[in-house]
This record gives sequence, C-alpha cells and structure tokens, in this order.
Amino acid sequence: DADVTQTPRNRITKTGKRIMLECSQTKGHDRMYWYRQDPGLGLRLIYYSFDVKDINKGEISDGYSVSRQAQAKFSLSLESAIPNQTALYFCATRGQGYTQYFGPGTRLTVL
Amino acid sequence: AQTVTQSQPEMSVQEAETVTLSCTYDTSENNYYLFWYKQPPSRQMILVIRQEAYKQQNATENRFSVNFQKAAKSFSLKISDSQLGDTAMYFCAFMKVQGNQFYFGTGTSLTVIP
Repeated sequence: DADVTQTPRNRITKTGKRIMLECSQTKGHDRMYWYRQDPGLGLRLIYYSFDVKDINKGEISDGYSVSRQAQAKFSLSLESAIPNQTALYFCATRGQGYTQYFGPGTRLTVL
Repeated sequence: AQTVTQSQPEMSVQEAETVTLSCTYDTSENNYYLFWYKQPPSRQMILVIRQEAYKQQNATENRFSVNFQKAAKSFSLKISDSQLGDTAMYFCAFMKVQGNQFYFGTGTSLTVIP
C-alpha cells in the first residue's frame, strides 16, 4: 500500500463550487504539505502543517484553506473554485534528512 | 528567498548514453539540502538523489550521480547508461536546514531515445 494517498485522483468541477482534496499518510510523519503544479512553473507551496495545531501559509495560499484532522490526515479545500485553480495538486510528508514523500497527485479541472 | 533555476526545459539522450541536467540555486544559507526528483508520465514524484551541503563528497545512487559545486551554487544531475524508463520530468529542489519548505525549479523534460 502507498504511504501517502490522495483522493480523488481526478476531479472536474464548476466555477463557484466548493471542493475538498484529501490526503492520508501511514509514514508517521508530523510535517505535511500541499503543493500545486502548473506547467512551466514547477511545484509551489500552498500550505504546510507541523502538527495538528500548527498550520502555516505557503507562497500561494489565497483561495485555499486546509484542515489537519489528525497526524495522518491533511485536507485542502477550495471554497469557491475558479478556472485558474485548474492544476495538479500534491500532498507530501517530510521525513528524515528533510526528504519529502509525495502522494500520487490529484488532477483538478475547474470549468 | 531561495530560488532554483533549471535552464534546460527539454533534453534528449540516446539510450545507453550519458546526460547531465543542470541546476543552479541562490541562497545566503550555509546549511541546506538539495534534491533531484523524477516525475514520469504516471505523475508520481520520485526521489532520485539527495545531497547535504556540508558534505563535500558528491552523492551517488546507482546510475545517478551529482556534481555539487557549493561555491558556484550548482547542483547538476548525471544519468549514466540512460534507459527508456528514465524518460520523465526532472525537478531540482532546495531546502535549508530548519527551513519550512522546498523550493523547486521549473523542471527539465528528459526523453530517452531508443
């Protein structure tokens, strides 16, 4: 079984809809991250969390919110989706040696 | 802020040949980590290799090795005996010790030609 899982893997939604992307991990890591990948831009950090009570904004947090429900679960919400939020979204955990372990990604399309 | 630059958007290499992907970074930090990640068409992000800045010895993982030049802030990835399965997007990434996030380059798309 994968150590970091994301649901859904693909999602198509409409402008203005609320959507939640979920991430779960079995690695036992405290630190979790949400990234967004756009063609030609690499990965950019949306939010990160050091533990259940510690949530921090990344460089592109506007239009997004997160919830750390447990050590193993970290969800990303788009309260009112817009077309320029169409992207590939990755959840990651951080382990020893600062290595990040990524989930399989969620491809989100906002029409 | 830290920046990571990959100046080669696309590269190709013949199967069994060697290819080098370039990465430069800008930081005022002295202690940090550098990484290369591979993203095949499956879109999974896979760690290829990791380098600790305080180690002068270049990291090696099987056919993958790096040329870490700390003074020049350069961190290139060499792939030897290229295989078809090496076809992927490759991302260089930086994280400072005690830092909070990775900084990624924009990626290099590598195609291995049979």
